[in-house]
Amino acid sequence: GAGVSQSPSNKVTEKGKDVELRCDPISGHTALYWYRQRLGQGLEFLIYFQGNSAPDKSGLPSDRFSAERTGESVSTLTIQRTQQEDSAVYLCASSLEEDRGSGANVLTFGAGSRLTVL
Amino acid sequence: QKEVEQNSGPLSVPEGAIASLNCTYSDRGSQSFFWYRQYSGKSPELIMSIYSNGDKEDGRFTAQLNKASQYVSLLIRDSQPSDSATYLCAVIPPWDMRFGAGTRLTVKP
Repeated sequence: GAGVSQSPSNKVTEKGKDVELRCDPISGHTALYWYRQRLGQGLEFLIYFQGNSAPDKSGLPSDRFSAERTGESVSTLTIQRTQQEDSAVYLCASSLEEDRGSGANVLTFGAGSRLTVL
Repeated sequence: QKEVEQNSGPLSVPEGAIASLNCTYSDRGSQSFFWYRQYSGKSPELIMSIYSNGDKEDGRFTAQLNKASQYVSLLIRDSQPSDSATYLCAVIPPWDMRFGAGTRLTVKP
């Protein structure tokens, strides 16, 4: 697609429920990132995919969080047993490749998925 | 020590002044550095990228990189009210892109 697409744009859920957030990166972008941004805060790194592999999962805050990517395209971030502190905007970004210094690693962000846990 | 550190601000400058935003990073192996701008309620968008020591100018924006000091800065000349936003410094260490917490800039008319 022309840009990074995320869905849903807004999700309100009850504490304890599972949620699934989806990211469609720009076609051909091999690198995909998930970040979390709480209200008034900076971007908190969650996970990075190069192709379908995730060499760095260190940012996932707990085992309730998981992510996968298939076909070097769509990625899904799943949060199980949601807690109120999970409320945030979840941003997905993609880039052409992880070629440092080439300019190809510029990120394009999606509009984000705003999650509210009641 | 955080991987990427920024002064959270807020930084307030009058219209027409120079705004100076600073960022330090911890990983000496980092090679790619970026400044993103984020308006309230919007997603970050790229302003500048810099990969070599020295200055890089693009219009009213100048990025400065000093790898020896692990320091990168952004200067905004002739600041406009439309520049009011949060500015995020981003660095690529070995694996992925890490962001600072951002500096909130307000340009007063």
